[in-house]
Amino acid sequence: QVQLVESGGGVVQPGRSLTVSCAASGFTFSRYGMHWVRQAPGKGLEWVAVIWYDGSKKDHADSVKGRFTISRDNSKNTLYLQMNSLRVEDTAVYYCAREDWDSGVWAFDIWGQGTMVTVSS
Amino acid sequence: QSALTQPPSASGSPGQSVTISCTGTSSDVGGYNYVSWYQQHPGKAPKLMISEVSKRPSGVPDRFSGSKSGNTASLTVSGLQAEDEADYYCCSYAGSNNLVFGGGTKLTVL
Repeated sequence: QVQLVESGGGVVQPGRSLTVSCAASGFTFSRYGMHWVRQAPGKGLEWVAVIWYDGSKKDHADSVKGRFTISRDNSKNTLYLQMNSLRVEDTAVYYCAREDWDSGVWAFDIWGQGTMVTVSS
Repeated sequence: QSALTQPPSASGSPGQSVTISCTGTSSDVGGYNYVSWYQQHPGKAPKLMISEVSKRPSGVPDRFSGSKSGNTASLTVSGLQAEDEADYYCCSYAGSNNLVFGGGTKLTVL
């Protein structure tokens, strides 16, 4: 079945780095744009980054620009988010999400279960 | 980019209709027909309910509908059911390959 599974979350100290991954299965990963969305504990959703289906374009929210980088490996059906210079306010559940233009442009039709990243000393 | 404005809470009795608003600016909601709505139950991942203002994905009940007027988008849930109790988030394209979410609305079925 169509599935996204995140991994790599954990506890990290402020200023350090962490990379989270999202493994896709059940669909042709290389045909879809992919996003990262995060949710701080008890808070709302925040869009983080997007990458085009072929990796040719990527963009990041102002709150993470210059610190986070989205990437993908279509040969491994995997999406990544490299997070550098982490701050306490980056603590959140990180979701990967698929954008399917048949379901809606700039909309996320499939979501992973999320991976928790905690930034704390 | 500022978050879109949603009421923190909304409520209705079973069978009634409820509408949740989502207010932005001419740079996001008002400027594009790319508003989507998500339902999130506690501890679960969000689920797409409406895309492109009023498009309902396959499998979403027709009790859910979306609309937009100017800088405000709306989600209407008709014939409220107990399982509709959840948090609802709007999201809009904001130009330059950026997206912005609303703060979320907790829908309570009385």
